[in-house]
Amino acid sequence: GENVEQHPSTLSVQEGDSAVIKCTYSDSASNYFPWYKQELGKGPQLIIDIRSNVGEKKDQRIAVTLNKTAKHFSLHITETQPEDSAVYFCAASKTGAQKLVFGQGTRLTINP
Amino acid sequence: DTEVTQTPKHLVMGMTNKKSLKCEQHMGHRAMYWYKQKAKKPPELMFVYSYEKLSINESVPSRFSPECPNSSLLNLHLHALQPEDSALYLCASSQDLGQGWEKLFFGSGTQLSVL
Repeated sequence: GENVEQHPSTLSVQEGDSAVIKCTYSDSASNYFPWYKQELGKGPQLIIDIRSNVGEKKDQRIAVTLNKTAKHFSLHITETQPEDSAVYFCAASKTGAQKLVFGQGTRLTINP
Repeated sequence: DTEVTQTPKHLVMGMTNKKSLKCEQHMGHRAMYWYKQKAKKPPELMFVYSYEKLSINESVPSRFSPECPNSSLLNLHLHALQPEDSALYLCASSQDLGQGWEKLFFGSGTQLSVL
């Protein structure tokens, strides 16, 4: 089955700097890659996603890139702010699977 | 309304108790999910309902019993739980299991402690 590895497990950056979180997946049939943000005491919230027919997608300060050949995808957050502090999960799925396979999560801390 | 509402937010129960977790959404979604999340771990899928019918059971022990009374409500009935079942239980919904199923909307969860 699909396996998703996520790195790093913790990341600390200065406010205003950029943060990058990387994920690799094992199943070449996977074609949908979402990113979820989980703040303390809340459930995960979808922040951005990408499908395999697209190499990059941006939404204001966040972007996701996908390299199908290498089977990895990354979340980029620019101009980080304190409210970006949270746990971020990547995930992967494929058509017909009806379930997401999550990475282990990255705890991002933004230092003022 | 883009919310998934879960009650209660916190629950403490003994191993002989019977309790229920409740979840409600009014987005017109036809797929609903139960996930279990241990501290510092990703969510683990337990059950999926599609159009009020159980679609996926991830080999969950029978002490967890899901129920979907209608398209807006999802319950998880708990009986004879073990301390290792202590976790955050998350409900989620999505459009349906065809197009758009992958975009999950999660509730804030019920933090369950089994003593």
